[in-house]
Amino acid sequence: AQRVTQPEKLLSVFKGAPVELKCNYSYSGSPELFWYVQYSRQRLQLLLRHISRESIKGFTADLNKGETSFHLKKPFAQEEDSAMYYCALSKVDRGSTLGRLYFGRGTQLTVWP
Amino acid sequence: DTGVSQDPRHKITKRGQNVTFRCDPISEHNRLYWYRQTLGQGPEFLTYFQNEAQLEKSRLLSDRFSAERPKGSFSTLEIQRTEQGDSAMYLCASSLSGRSKEKLFFGSGTQLSVL
Repeated sequence: AQRVTQPEKLLSVFKGAPVELKCNYSYSGSPELFWYVQYSRQRLQLLLRHISRESIKGFTADLNKGETSFHLKKPFAQEEDSAMYYCALSKVDRGSTLGRLYFGRGTQLTVWP
Repeated sequence: DTGVSQDPRHKITKRGQNVTFRCDPISEHNRLYWYRQTLGQGPEFLTYFQNEAQLEKSRLLSDRFSAERPKGSFSTLEIQRTEQGDSAMYLCASSLSGRSKEKLFFGSGTQLSVL
């Protein structure tokens, strides 16, 4: 069975400090991993996906298949990064849809001034 | 706002009543998803449609739940004989199929409270 674990429910850092939001997954097949973000009073939205290998708003995430992790990192946190972050997994199987996601419980990031 | 819209935003009902939620996806999107989110948890998949066909249902979707997308446009999610455990945020999302590029756009959700 597939599972996504975000061990930290809450994470606080000061502005300018590095931040790392942890995500571990379990899935025997080949997954695609995502980070979704929900800012206060806004909708859930895609932040980035591992297959794109992109940096969005200064965030990056590397898929480590050996450690089954997909941690989200940013070298210098900003106050506007304060939000709820969800790690999600999709199965890359024949006939599956990328929209069928398995989410972690989320990490609430607070960046203090 | 041309995003995914959901109606109502909030619904309070008594145990045993039936409720229906509506989702209007982004107009050109052929896929529509329903998720449920309870307090302190991430969203959980319920079901999805490609056009009007319901292609997958989660085991979370008991017999009391039914979803439709009659003309491949808007969708409704009905819960019959509501229970207190049904209290949650119900999220709708839509996308345009196309494997590697598929991207979900979420609505604001319908918050259900069952008293």
